[in-house]
Amino acid sequence: GAVVSQHPSRVICKSGTSVKIECRSLDFQATTMFWYRQFPKQSLMLMATSNEGSKATYEQGVEKDKFLINHASLTLSTLTVTSAHPEDSSFYICSARIPSGNTIYFGEGSWLTVV
Amino acid sequence: KNEVEQSPQNLTAQEGEFITINCSYSVGISALHWLQQHPGGGIVSLFMLSSGKKKHGRLIATINIQEKHSSLHITASHPRDSAVYICAVHGSSNTGKLIFGQGTTLQVKP
Repeated sequence: GAVVSQHPSRVICKSGTSVKIECRSLDFQATTMFWYRQFPKQSLMLMATSNEGSKATYEQGVEKDKFLINHASLTLSTLTVTSAHPEDSSFYICSARIPSGNTIYFGEGSWLTVV
Repeated sequence: KNEVEQSPQNLTAQEGEFITINCSYSVGISALHWLQQHPGGGIVSLFMLSSGKKKHGRLIATINIQEKHSSLHITASHPRDSAVYICAVHGSSNTGKLIFGQGTTLQVKP
């Protein structure tokens, strides 16, 4: 079964609204989670590193006020796309790292369509 | 030049063929991952390597740290192996961040 669960798998929202995507580690406590975005036929692009109990670290060029990340517990990180626009339509996927090493697990990903 | 380079970018094979995907990197690493992404988008970690060789079923992954090179081999390929295979490395700074190759799209025809 899934070790990292991501929800929703698909979401359609209207322009201007906000949408929240959840990433949960099911069998372990994840102090660090990562959020990626993927455009069609391109590789994963790291958006931000989500740290439990502290502010997320955003990659250069990623708007932190638009892509809000909250990591309030050791098993849950959320990505909220605020005031969504059609150009935000993309595939978003999270990963979580086992604290003791380099083992990583990916969520199932979320397809966001903004209409 | 990307820090992680994969080849080939696209690969078409006939069912049963032996397949090799290569990954070269230019940075110091603490570990290398081979990932599989199916058309639906989900990603599965196939292997994590820091040295030597690992085998799981029909999949074999090797890494040569001195040459900064890794290979993923698929024996007796099957149409269900059709997917994008991604090489990703953890840098030696241990931040947990991954540096991704551009991926190899594999299609195995029956």
